[in-house]
Amino acid sequence: NAGVTQTPKFRILKIGQSMTLQCTQDMNHNYMYWYRQDPGMGLKLIYYSVGAGITDKGEVPNGYNVSRSTTEDFPLRLELAAPSQTSVYFCASMTSGSDEQYFGPGTRLTVT
Amino acid sequence: QQPVQSPQAVILREGEDAVINCSSSKALYSVHWYRQKHGEAPVFLMILLKGGEQKGHDKISASFNEKKQQSSLYLTASQLSYSGTYFCGTEIAFNTDKLIFGTGTRLQVFP
Repeated sequence: NAGVTQTPKFRILKIGQSMTLQCTQDMNHNYMYWYRQDPGMGLKLIYYSVGAGITDKGEVPNGYNVSRSTTEDFPLRLELAAPSQTSVYFCASMTSGSDEQYFGPGTRLTVT
Repeated sequence: QQPVQSPQAVILREGEDAVINCSSSKALYSVHWYRQKHGEAPVFLMILLKGGEQKGHDKISASFNEKKQQSSLYLTASQLSYSGTYFCGTEIAFNTDKLIFGTGTRLQVFP
C-alpha cells in the first residue's frame, strides 16, 4: 500500500495562476480531507469529503474548490492564486468507524 | 473556536517529563493527539473520548477533563525520538467527521 500520495511535492505559482493539487489514497477510505499549514502554525481544514460525490467546506474554503468523483481521488483546485495561499498543503484520509487520519507527505506551494 | 495549546514550546533533556495542554472554549466530544516531526506529515498518537478513561501507550499518555474542556498529553522519561510538534485536534460532537486543530506545541529533546 502506498497510503496517501500527493503531487506535486513543490510548486511555485505566479499571482493569478491556477493549479490543481492531486491527492490519491489506496486504502479504500471514505473520508478525505484537505488542510493547509502556514509556517509555525497548526492545520486548518479547507474542505473535506465523506464519500464519493459528497464534499463540504471546512474552516478556510475561500479561494479553493474540490471534487470527489471516485473514492481514491480528492483533488484541490486553486483558482487565481494569491500570496496568502502560500502554505504547505496536506491531504488526509480516514476509514469510517476509525479515529485515525492518515496524512500524505504534503505539497509546499509558494505564490509570488 | 481553535483550541489553545500550552506551552508553545518545551525544551527537555533525555529522561525528563513534559505535559502539554489543549483547552477549548467549546464543549468537546473528543480530543485527538498527533505528532509531526520536522518536514514530515502528522502522525496519529491517540484519541480521548468524552466520558472515556485516560489513555496511553509506552511512556506517552493523555487525559481528558470534561469539566475544564481540556486534555493533557503526558510524556514521561522523554526520548530523542519524542522531538517534534504536538497538535491536538478537537471534535465538538459525535460524528462531525472533522477536527479543529490547535496551534501546536514544539518539543525538543536533547541528549
